[in-house]
Amino acid sequence: QKEVEQDPGPLSVPEGAIVSLNCTYSNSAFQYFMWYRQYSRKGPELLMYTYSSGNKEDGRFTAQVDKSSKYISLFIRDSQPSDSATYLCAMSGGGSEKLVFGKGTKLTVNP
Amino acid sequence: EAGVTQSPTHLIKTRGQQATLRCSPISGHTSVYWYQQALGLGLQFLLWYDEGEERNRGNFPPRFSGRQFPNYSSELNVNALELEDSALYLCATPIVPQGGYGYTFGSGTRLTVV
Repeated sequence: QKEVEQDPGPLSVPEGAIVSLNCTYSNSAFQYFMWYRQYSRKGPELLMYTYSSGNKEDGRFTAQVDKSSKYISLFIRDSQPSDSATYLCAMSGGGSEKLVFGKGTKLTVNP
Repeated sequence: EAGVTQSPTHLIKTRGQQATLRCSPISGHTSVYWYQQALGLGLQFLLWYDEGEERNRGNFPPRFSGRQFPNYSSELNVNALELEDSALYLCATPIVPQGGYGYTFGSGTRLTVV
């Protein structure tokens, strides 16, 4: 079993839709959870950061972590064509431990 | 402040050659992480340098190596290039020096091995 599993998609939605992206993980030591957005031919950029379980909201984006189920989610409300990108989940045990990434989900938002 | 910078942007090499990729971290940051992003495989951890020392390496063969200079910039060397080394190579530094809050990434070097 891989440490982090993420459905690669692709996922195609109409503009204005609510998008749900998910990752599961197996390492119970993970405490820090992140979502990155990566546009084509660019490096990933940090979108959301969450520590331990709970929800975090930033504008149209909401990140959820359920440590009991080892499951994290990213919701995008009122999706826009500019949200079209690959979304990567990432997690670590904290400190100087390396980030472990999912493979990424490619999202296309159609006007 | 300048972000993480990588050079070159693109690199084309022949199988068996050596490639050298460079990274400059955010000013004042001492840690540099290298990741490989190959098609369909996601980001795979390669190497971690901090304070000039290699602190950890991922599950890659020894022909992947590197170093960190006194100014904390870093170099990744890939020897005896193979076709499957074709990938985007990303360099990153922790957003917070003590870690745990994610990384800032450079734009990457796209290495193509022909």
